[in-house]
Amino acid sequence: GQQVMQIPQYQHVQEGEDFTTYCNSSTTLSNIQWYKQRPGGHPVFLIQLVKSGEVKKQKRLTFQFGEAKKNSSLHITATQTTDVGTYFCAALSNSGYALNFGKGTSLLVTP
Amino acid sequence: EADIYQTPRYLVIGTGKKITLECSQTMGHDKMYWYQQDPGMELHLIHYSYGVNSTEKGDLSSESTVSRIRTEHFPLTLESARPSHTSQYLCASSEGDTQYFGPGTRLTVL
Repeated sequence: GQQVMQIPQYQHVQEGEDFTTYCNSSTTLSNIQWYKQRPGGHPVFLIQLVKSGEVKKQKRLTFQFGEAKKNSSLHITATQTTDVGTYFCAALSNSGYALNFGKGTSLLVTP
Repeated sequence: EADIYQTPRYLVIGTGKKITLECSQTMGHDKMYWYQQDPGMELHLIHYSYGVNSTEKGDLSSESTVSRIRTEHFPLTLESARPSHTSQYLCASSEGDTQYFGPGTRLTVL
C-alpha cells in the first residue's frame, strides 16, 4: 500500500508555541487525510487534501499538501491545551478501499 | 459526529472465551473497517468490507473473524480469546474516502 511515515513521534510544547507534524511517502499519493485522536478517544476526521500544493486552514490549523503529492504537513499556531492528542495522516491503500495510517504524532501542551 | 456505535465499550474476560464485538452504523455506508490499536500506538487494519457479503483481511494478521450480512452491522468475533488479544478495537465506516470511527471497545483478556 501507500505507506506514510510521520515525524516527530512525540512533541511537547508550552501553551502558545507553534507545532508542526510532517507526513512523507515514497510514492505519489492520490490524496491525504488528517485525523485527531484525543487521549482515550477515537480518531476524528479533520481534513482531506487532494490537489498538488493545496493549503487549507481551519482556525489555527494549517494543512499543506506538497507539490509532488508525496508529503504533507499540519501546523498549529499558538497551541492550546485543547490541542492535546495524537495527529495521524492517512493515505489510500493500493486497493482504494482502505486507508494506511501513519504512526501518528502525539502532542502534549503544558500551560 | 457520525452515527456509528460499538458495544461493549469495555470488556474483561478470561482466556479461552468466545467473544463478539458489535459495530453498527446508521448512515448506510457500504465500506466498514476494524482496526486494532494499543494505547498510544498506531492503528492497524485487521478487517474491512466493501459491502454486504464481502469481507477482506487487513494488513495486520488477526485471529478474529468478521461477517457482513447487513449493511449496517459488522461484528467481529474471537473464537478463543488470549491475553495477546488485549487491545482497543475500533470500528469505522466510510463515505467516499473519509472514515468515521466508533468509540471503540477496550478488551482485556486475563
